[in-house]
Amino acid sequence: ELKVEQNPLFLSMQEGKNYTIYCNYSTTSDRLYWYRQDPGKSLESLFVLLSNGAVKQEGRLMASLDTKARLSTLHITAAVHDLSATYFCAVESGGSNYKLTFGKGTLLTVNP
Amino acid sequence: DVKVTQSSRYLVKRTGEKVFLECVQDMDHENMFWYRQDPGLGLRLIYFSYDVKMKEKGDIPEGYSVSREKKERFSLILESASTNQTSMYLCASRPGTVSYEQYFGPGTRLTVT
Repeated sequence: ELKVEQNPLFLSMQEGKNYTIYCNYSTTSDRLYWYRQDPGKSLESLFVLLSNGAVKQEGRLMASLDTKARLSTLHITAAVHDLSATYFCAVESGGSNYKLTFGKGTLLTVNP
Repeated sequence: DVKVTQSSRYLVKRTGEKVFLECVQDMDHENMFWYRQDPGLGLRLIYFSYDVKMKEKGDIPEGYSVSREKKERFSLILESASTNQTSMYLCASRPGTVSYEQYFGPGTRLTVT
């Protein structure tokens, strides 16, 4: 059974600081997803990481994937208040059914 | 733009009622999914469908069933609602192989009293 562990679950940051959210998973997978969720809203796709060593960046967020270590990171650079949200990683199971297993989410609060 | 819509944003039902949650996507996607989201537990997959009339159980199917009679519509059915089914329900869809992204609907917050 695929397990996905995210940490930390809660993260309070000051504006301008850097931090990393970690996503570990238990079985082999080549596809990993990062989503953002604002309070009361649905999930917004941030990154899709398809292979070992994949790195993607959008603004102050950068995601990477190490399939050998079964680890993905979401790095936040010089945080701003607008980044406050809950961030989820999700791992795709093998096969063709595209089933995603989600981590529990990281609630990020960026304080002025 | 891909659009996934859900029939209600908020729903209040009584214990024992039969509840239908509807999801419609407008991009001819083969795959559709139903998740529930609870605080501290993240999203958990209830059922998914990879084609019309095809369905597979996810991680927590107990107490739920689904129906997919047309490609664009995927329904989640609570045969006899219970208070422990109070939750946020999210529908998602995804193309077959062209794109890897799952597109999520706005969610339905269901309260069972």
